[in-house]
Amino acid sequence: EAEVAQSPRYKITEKSQAVAFWCDPISGHATLYWYRQILGQGPELLVQFQDESVVDDSQLPKDRFSAERLKGVDSTLKIQPAELGDSAMYLCASSSPAAGAYEQYFGPGTRLTVT
Amino acid sequence: ILNVEQSPQSLHVQEGDSTNFTCSFPSSNFYALHWYRWETAKSPKALFVMTLNGDEKKKGRISATLNTKEGYSYLYIKGSQPEDSATYLCASNFGNEKLTFGTGTRLTIIP
Repeated sequence: EAEVAQSPRYKITEKSQAVAFWCDPISGHATLYWYRQILGQGPELLVQFQDESVVDDSQLPKDRFSAERLKGVDSTLKIQPAELGDSAMYLCASSSPAAGAYEQYFGPGTRLTVT
Repeated sequence: ILNVEQSPQSLHVQEGDSTNFTCSFPSSNFYALHWYRWETAKSPKALFVMTLNGDEKKKGRISATLNTKEGYSYLYIKGSQPEDSATYLCASNFGNEKLTFGTGTRLTIIP
């Protein structure tokens, strides 16, 4: 079964440092999502791509976060500089219209700890 | 603000017992309701997607129901097993692709 890949799985960084996460969606999935899950809360959408274009980044803190999907396949989410409040699980998901009902397939996530 | 709420937040169940938990959501603009199971250190995996009022879905010992008029869904697990220990997330689409998630129910099965 095809899966969404993410790396690294765990990342510890000091505040004010830069950090980057990578996601490789299921092959052929045009839509890619980045979510952030803070402990005790549900995942919250940060950014949604359709191919290489951003569809929704209304919840992305643009002063420090950036996301790109240059060739419409894999994607990178960057935080610079990291703050203590950025400690969270960062999930990537992908979907295809063929899946129906907007079903999304998730990767295992990157657990970020900012010290 | 569209809130999806889940209860309880956590649950401890003896192995072999049955259990259920709730997801509530605004009924206006409803499109679909998703249940995911998220085991520690793994990816969230889709259990069910439901769209129609009165929908009931079943996969082995796990089943779910949907009431879109009153805005709730129940997830049932019959005869809990240790491998059922996970966080169960529900999420809803409200007329667009964007999923709004609840905070999850963390289920622990006691052997």
